[in-house]
Amino acid sequence: DAKTTQPNSMESNEEEPVHLPCNHSTISGTDYIHWYRQLPSQGPEYVIHGLTSNVNNRMASLAIAEDRKSSTLILHRATLRDAAVYYCILRDQYSGGGADGLTFGKGTHLIIQP
Amino acid sequence: DSGVTQTPKHLITATGQRVTLRCSPRSGDLSVYWYQQSLDQGLQFLIQYYNGEERAKGNILERFSAQQFPDLHSELNLSSLELGDSALYFCASSVVGFGGYTFGSGTRLTVV
Repeated sequence: DAKTTQPNSMESNEEEPVHLPCNHSTISGTDYIHWYRQLPSQGPEYVIHGLTSNVNNRMASLAIAEDRKSSTLILHRATLRDAAVYYCILRDQYSGGGADGLTFGKGTHLIIQP
Repeated sequence: DSGVTQTPKHLITATGQRVTLRCSPRSGDLSVYWYQQSLDQGLQFLIQYYNGEERAKGNILERFSAQQFPDLHSELNLSSLELGDSALYFCASSVVGFGGYTFGSGTRLTVV
């Protein structure tokens, strides 16, 4: 499985933008880049995903490098409720036989200061 | 409410016992995945079912088994429980290959 590398932790101030980086230098052409987050005592929550182009939704934006070897999750205006562990994961669109269990790394622990 | 329902929310049992965790996937999702999360191991993929058939196995112990029923709900059976099996167990559902996973709120298993 292609792997991702994320910083262990990041700290930001409330109401400021947050840029969470992810490196995935061994990404394949059919791998989608997925981001999930896990708030304390909750299950992981889907945030956003993309293949090649930058993506926006109501939660965040995903900026993907032209060579696709890295990506950045952007929270435009962090709130205290955004404090969570953020996971960057690769998901093969064409997994053999439909087998596509996600492999979670340790993620980035995002701390938001009031 | 994510649309994925897991029961029970909490379970306390003794070593050597057997328990069953239940998951109802989001409407329309044919794939169900089970994950284990302990403090020292993080989120570990256990097993995936698709429309009743096993599709992928991860780090699932032989003491653990799962199945998916015709109505698409799934059960994870944990037997001969050990203290180290204490963890959060999450179920997720998805359309294979597309979009994101939807996770349930988990079952917290405590083995004493």
